[in-house]
Amino acid sequence: GAVVSQHPSRVICKSGTSVKIECRSLDFQATTMFWYRQFPKQSLMLMATSNEGSKATYEQGVEKDKFLINHASLTLSTLTVTSAHPEDSSFYICSVPPASLGGYTFGSGTRLTVV
Amino acid sequence: GNSVTQMEGPVTLSEEAFLTINCTYTATGYPSLFWYVQYPGEGLQLLLKATKADDKGSNKGFEATYRKETTSFHLEKGSVQVSDSAVYFCALSRTDSWGKLQFGAGTQVVVTP
Repeated sequence: GAVVSQHPSRVICKSGTSVKIECRSLDFQATTMFWYRQFPKQSLMLMATSNEGSKATYEQGVEKDKFLINHASLTLSTLTVTSAHPEDSSFYICSVPPASLGGYTFGSGTRLTVV
Repeated sequence: GNSVTQMEGPVTLSEEAFLTINCTYTATGYPSLFWYVQYPGEGLQLLLKATKADDKGSNKGFEATYRKETTSFHLEKGSVQVSDSAVYFCALSRTDSWGKLQFGAGTQVVVTP
């Protein structure tokens, strides 16, 4: 099945700095990837759709200037949390849709802590 | 719109007990339905899925049947183990937007020896 690699798995950063999270599809090409966020003890909420070669589309309420998404190649999408604040501390996880009906594959997630 | 409602946790069970986690959904059209599991400190793993009405998904002793008439996809396991302790998410593939998943709130399951 599809394999998605996400890193870093954990990152701690200072308030005001930026953090980049990478999501790679290892054995297939993904023109689309999805980014989700999970706050502690809550469910996953879709943040944005990353589209290879074009602009990402963001869900309502997600600040596009704060969460920069770049899908520069068919195997790599990056999420950059800019000017991070403690309220951005969360679990960020990417996924790719299946080529056909089936389960969506998720990366292992990144736990971001902003101090 | 699309929504998923699942029972609140935590659910605490003894080893070998029977587990049921209720999940109901609202959606237009015919979504696929999924159960994902998240072990402590890890990402999501697909546990099972069903793509059409009356399909039964099964894996690792877990089962769920796609019931269109009751818009439900309840997860069951006959005899849980301590290693089944995790958070379980019910999800559907959104019919209004390709490729996106709508998740339930998640149910934490704690299995004690």
